[in-house]
Amino acid sequence: DVKVTQSSRYLVKRTGEKVFLECVQDMDHENMFWYRQDPGLGLRLIYFSYDVKMKEKGDIPEGYSVSREKKERFSLILESASTNQTSMYLCATHYMTSGTYNEQFFGPGTRLTVL
Amino acid sequence: AQTVTQSQPEMSVQEAETVTLSCTYDTSESNYYLFWYKQPPSRQMILVIRQEAYKQQNATENRFSVNFQKAAKSFSLKISDSQLGDTAMYFCAFKVYNTDKLIFGTGTRLQVFP
Repeated sequence: DVKVTQSSRYLVKRTGEKVFLECVQDMDHENMFWYRQDPGLGLRLIYFSYDVKMKEKGDIPEGYSVSREKKERFSLILESASTNQTSMYLCATHYMTSGTYNEQFFGPGTRLTVL
Repeated sequence: AQTVTQSQPEMSVQEAETVTLSCTYDTSESNYYLFWYKQPPSRQMILVIRQEAYKQQNATENRFSVNFQKAAKSFSLKISDSQLGDTAMYFCAFKVYNTDKLIFGTGTRLQVFP
């Protein structure tokens, strides 16, 4: 079974702090994703990565950056946290195969509160 | 741009009954995939069922089935013999063939009552 873990289930930070959210997968998947989930808005893609040191902006990258130094680890960074970044953050991964509809596997999520 | 719409923010159903969750999408692509994901309370999101757009036959996974109407761009999920464990947030999602991005709807919160 694919295992996707996230460093924290709950996190409380103060405005202006630098925040790191970590995601680790154990299945050697190429693609990794960061989403934020907000009520009434569903899941929105922040960034994704299809290889080590490679990244692509998603639909809402403003205020975020990412790092992928190792294949199994994908970090989301909030350089200066703001209250509007209070949200649930979900990491996902999938094996990149051309033309298939392989599913994304999700981590348990990190609920971040910025005070 | 592709969009996915789930018009039912919340639904409820009694145990053992059948419920249908709606999903419509908009795309100009002809090759794509559709998914239903389930997010139980405080638990990880998991895939429930998936459908390839070129297949006319509706996908089925045990008590879960879809009604895929390609011309109408509709992809509803039917849950038969509902169980308490089906209580969850359900997301409809769309992916263009040969791309990596999933586009999600806003979700439907389903409550199954005993």
